[in-house]
Amino acid sequence: QSVLTQPPSVSAAPRQKVTVSCSGSSSNIGNNYVSWYQQLPGTAPKLLIYENNKRPSGIPDRFSGSKSGTSATLGITGLRTGDEADYYCGTWDTSLSAYVFGTGTKVTVL
Amino acid sequence: EVQLVESGGGLVEPGGSLRLSCTTSGFTFSSYTMNWVRQAPGKGLEWVSSISDSSGYIYYADSVKGRFTISRDNARNSLYLQMNSLRVEDTAVYFCVRAPYSRSSDLTHWGQGTLVTVPS
Repeated sequence: QSVLTQPPSVSAAPRQKVTVSCSGSSSNIGNNYVSWYQQLPGTAPKLLIYENNKRPSGIPDRFSGSKSGTSATLGITGLRTGDEADYYCGTWDTSLSAYVFGTGTKVTVL
Repeated sequence: EVQLVESGGGLVEPGGSLRLSCTTSGFTFSSYTMNWVRQAPGKGLEWVSSISDSSGYIYYADSVKGRFTISRDNARNSLYLQMNSLRVEDTAVYFCVRAPYSRSSDLTHWGQGTLVTVPS
């Protein structure tokens, strides 16, 4: 069972905005950076956001991340059909001495 | 360009063993922490194990502790996962993943994965 909780799915029309939440605890999100991963159908996951709100080279600024307390949020603006994918949050859990992932959220473009 | 290529997956009976390998290129392998992450068919991501650059820090998920062993050969730029006492629930695609340091939250580079199947 995942330590981090995400909504199973979110959806919006093209060019609109969606947000994906990730809820944890003080032993993971509360005291460590959060990363976000995008997994397009049939492919390996890709790092989308690191250290809460930074984007790796090549990731458009339509993708953003934030963290507050024991929760984190991924934002996607100007939604495109190519953004349809599963999104996962992840972080190190100090108490478990383990990396933990969120339950995953499927983003659908209506 | 960073490249991570997994191999060694396949079909293995419950209770059997398998050794996965990850061959890397395009970066100084000995400077990075490496991880194994798996994904069961139709399910989410599950972290399996992590090994620091010099093998000084090793961590395992509770679900594989005592059955799986992570190791690395910095001279060969390779990462390994020895899987023993395999169970049906170990069926998954196993990804080799690079991280900047031990206990990092950033899994920056992923391989394409290798499928391990343990039939019921």
